[in-house]
Amino acid sequence: GNSVTQMEGPVTLSEEAFLTINCTYTATGYPSLFWYVQYPGEGLQLLLKATKADDKGSNKGFEATYRKETTSFHLEKGSVQVSDSAVYFCALSDSSTGNQFYFGTGTSLTVIP
Amino acid sequence: NAGVTQTPKFQVLKTGQSMTLQCAQDMNHNSMYWYRQDPGMGLRLIYYSASEGTTDKGEVPNGYNVSRLNKREFSLRLESAAPSQTSVYFCASFQGQAYYGYTFGSGTRLTVV
Repeated sequence: GNSVTQMEGPVTLSEEAFLTINCTYTATGYPSLFWYVQYPGEGLQLLLKATKADDKGSNKGFEATYRKETTSFHLEKGSVQVSDSAVYFCALSDSSTGNQFYFGTGTSLTVIP
Repeated sequence: NAGVTQTPKFQVLKTGQSMTLQCAQDMNHNSMYWYRQDPGMGLRLIYYSASEGTTDKGEVPNGYNVSRLNKREFSLRLESAAPSQTSVYFCASFQGQAYYGYTFGSGTRLTVV
C-alpha cells in the first residue's frame, strides 16, 4: 500500500541554521511527492512538489529531491528564519489509487532568534 | 479570492448534538475531500467525492455523513457528536492532475463537550 513516514518532531533550530526534515515513502505505483506547510491557525499550503524521479522541487529557499532509489523526499533549507516556524507535511499522490493523497504525520518546526 | 471556503471556523457542541460543516470551492475542481487533523496523527481522510454525484468512505468514516450538493459544495455532517470527534476538520479540493496538489480550506476547529 501507500504510506509516508516523516521524522518525529518537534524540531527547534536557531535562526540561520540548516534544516533537514526526513521523509520516506512506500507506493504501489509511480507517485508524485509534495511538501505542505501549515502556519499556526491556518490550513495546509503547498510548498513544493516533484512528479518524477530525480526531480527537485523548490520554493522560498526550501528544496527536496525525489529519490526513487532510497524512496525519499527530504526537505532542506540552508538558512531558516523565524517566519519558517510551522508544521511541515510530506505527502504523496499515486495515480494507481485514483490520485488520492497520503500524508505523513507532520513535523513541527520552531525557529528561535 | 479563488480557493476553498469552510464554515464555521470554530464550533462547540454538546455530546449528542448534530451539525453540518460546510465547504465550497470556486476553482471548478472535480474532487473534494474531508480530513480530520489530530495531534500526532497527521491528516486522516474521512470521506471524499471524486466527482459530482459520487461519495466514498476514507480511512475514518464512522460517525460522519457527507453530501456533494453540486460541483462546488461538499458538506460533512455529524449526526450525534461525540467527544472523540473533537478535532480540526479540513476540506480540500483537487483539479485531477497530481502535479497541482490539493487546495485546502482554513479549517474548522470543533470541540465536543
